[in-house]
Amino acid sequence: DAGITQSPRHKVTETGTPVTLRCHQTENHRYMYWYRQDPGHGLRLIHYSYGVKDTDKGEVSDGYSVSRSKTEDFLLTLESATSSQTSVYFCASADTSNYGYTFGSGTRLTVV
Amino acid sequence: QKEVEQDPGPLSVPEGAIVSLNCTYSNSAFQYFMWYRQYSRKGPELLMYTYSSGNKEDGRFTAQVDKSSKYISLFIRDSQPSDSATYLCAMTLYNTDKLIFGTGTRLQVFP
Repeated sequence: DAGITQSPRHKVTETGTPVTLRCHQTENHRYMYWYRQDPGHGLRLIHYSYGVKDTDKGEVSDGYSVSRSKTEDFLLTLESATSSQTSVYFCASADTSNYGYTFGSGTRLTVV
Repeated sequence: QKEVEQDPGPLSVPEGAIVSLNCTYSNSAFQYFMWYRQYSRKGPELLMYTYSSGNKEDGRFTAQVDKSSKYISLFIRDSQPSDSATYLCAMTLYNTDKLIFGTGTRLQVFP
């Protein structure tokens, strides 16, 4: 996906370990978002950022933290991974929500 | 009740059919409406964007917004197997920082 990349693309980790997912955008967008996508639930917002060091919680933020030290980078950390956090994680960015987001290709995380 | 409701499908149609995908919403203040297409194991990509009521056409795709009924639709003409994907509707208030997504409708177009 042009302008926004996620890493890693796939990860398997053990319960109780910390995990950090990375999102990098080259669009100079102000807003960045982390979503998880699960069957039957659609996209659910975890955390979002409206500027460097400015972040806020979404609807499913428990167990997750984020950081944004530069405009282009947004990190999602699972402090102590649990099996319920097995999911596909998408990062997105936007200048304003009026015209939609640009999404990354996703990170498939499995917690065993 | 969710702010945005979307039938999950799957919707299975033969190649060449006209497809109608729909979302209803509860917040009458929504002003910007979008449709995303998501192929399996890929991120959502913006397909259509409309502002307020009316129709917008782009090739085989037409997005329709009826604000009086709080109902939006995406029509696909001459559907192709390559249109097989999950389609998500999304909407937002003016100049806010978050989109509200539907859960997505899975479409299968068979040859």
